[in-house]
Amino acid sequence: GDSVTQMEGPVTLSEEAFLTINCTYTATGYPSLFWYVQYPGEGLQLLLKATKADDKGSNKGFEATYRKETTSFHLEKGSVQVSDSAVYFCALSEVNSNYQLIWGAGTKLIIKP
Amino acid sequence: EAGVAQSPRYKIIEKRQSVAFWCNPISGHATLYWYQQILGQGPKLLIQFQNNGVVDDSQLPKDRFSAERLKGVDSTLKIQPAKLEDSAVYLCASSLDLSYNEQFFGPGTRLTVL
Repeated sequence: GDSVTQMEGPVTLSEEAFLTINCTYTATGYPSLFWYVQYPGEGLQLLLKATKADDKGSNKGFEATYRKETTSFHLEKGSVQVSDSAVYFCALSEVNSNYQLIWGAGTKLIIKP
Repeated sequence: EAGVAQSPRYKIIEKRQSVAFWCNPISGHATLYWYQQILGQGPKLLIQFQNNGVVDDSQLPKDRFSAERLKGVDSTLKIQPAKLEDSAVYLCASSLDLSYNEQFFGPGTRLTVL
C-alpha cells in the first residue's frame, strides 16, 4: 500500500540556518503531495502542495519539488525563523486510496534564536 | 470564509464515560473526515463521509466509536465507553469534494481520559 517516510526529529537549528526535511513516498498511482504544518496548540494547516512530477510547491519561504524519479518531496527553506518552530507532516493522496491523506510520522522542528 | 469549527476544544473524562465531539465543516464542502492524533504521531483516519454517506470507516473501532452526518453538513463523533488509550486530539477536516484532495482542518478537540 501507499506510504510516506519522513526524517525523524526533532531537528534543531539556529535562526537563519538552511532547512531540509526529507520525505519519500511509495504509491501505486500518481499521487498529489503535501506538506502540512502544526504549530503548538493549533490544528494542521496546509503549507504547500504539488500535484504532478516536477511541480514545485512554495509558501512562506518554504519550497518542495515533486521528484518522481527519486519518489521524494523534500521540504526546504533558505533561512528559518524562530516562528517556524512546529511539527511538519508530509502526506500524499491519490485516487487508489479514495483521495485519503496518507501521512508521514511528522518532524518536529525547533529553531533557536 | 469561515474555517472548520470544532467543539469542545478540550475535554477531560474518566474511563468508561461517554463523550461527543461536534464538527461544522466549511460551507459547501461535501467531504468530511474525522482523525485521531495521538501525541507524537501523524493523524489516523477514523471515518470519511461524502455528504451524509460513509465512504470509509474501516479504522473506526465500532464497538465504542460512532459517527454521523445526518444532513450532510455537521457531524458528531461519539465514544462510549471511553478507554485510557482514547486520549488524543480528534481532528475534523473537510474538502470540497471526494476528488478534491486538499483538506482543511479544524483546531481539534483534545481528549484526556483519566
